[in-house]
Amino acid sequence: LAKTTQPISMDSYEGQEVNITCSHNNIATNDYITWYQQFPSQGPRFIIQGYKTKVTNEVASLFIPADRKSSTLSLPRVSLSDTAVYYCLVAPYSSASKIIFGSGTRLSIRP
Amino acid sequence: DGGITQSPKYLFRKEGQNVTLSCEQNLNHDAMYWYRQDPGQGLRLIYYSQIVNDFQKGDIAEGYSVSREKKESFPLTVTSAQKNPTAFYLCASRPRGRTGTYEQYFGPGTRLTVT
Repeated sequence: LAKTTQPISMDSYEGQEVNITCSHNNIATNDYITWYQQFPSQGPRFIIQGYKTKVTNEVASLFIPADRKSSTLSLPRVSLSDTAVYYCLVAPYSSASKIIFGSGTRLSIRP
Repeated sequence: DGGITQSPKYLFRKEGQNVTLSCEQNLNHDAMYWYRQDPGQGLRLIYYSQIVNDFQKGDIAEGYSVSREKKESFPLTVTSAQKNPTAFYLCASRPRGRTGTYEQYFGPGTRLTVT
């Protein structure tokens, strides 16, 4: 299973763009990269998933370089409600797999 | 209204007692997972199940047991052998095969306190 490394914490201000980078040096060919958001005392919530290049949805963008050894979650114009823990995972596109969460990045947004 | 339910939200038990946490899903997902989360920490995988009547240990299975008799249900029993059972327990499910984004869906969690 590919191990991921993320910064423990990050701080930013409302209205800024926030980029959180995740390192996954031993990602396998059939692994996908997925990001989740978790608020206190709640289950994680899916944000975005990708395999290569760039993926964008209504809440975030995911940038994956050609070697796929890292990925960057980009949150445009953050607000106070984006204060949460963000997890990066890599896992095969198959239900027959363990899915391991790392420690995540604690993002704090200030007014 | 599809989703995952966990009950109860808060659970209190005396040390030495076994306790079973409920997890039900009506999403028709094949795979189900149990995670444990301690304060300020990430999620750690306890058990997971890919299909009915089959399950595998995760990274911290000692002191826990599960069953998967129905596709919709994946109860977790915290036994008296678990040294530090007080934690936030999260259940998740995941669809099988290529059905768009392939994310896990999480329940609201059960906070277990053992004294």
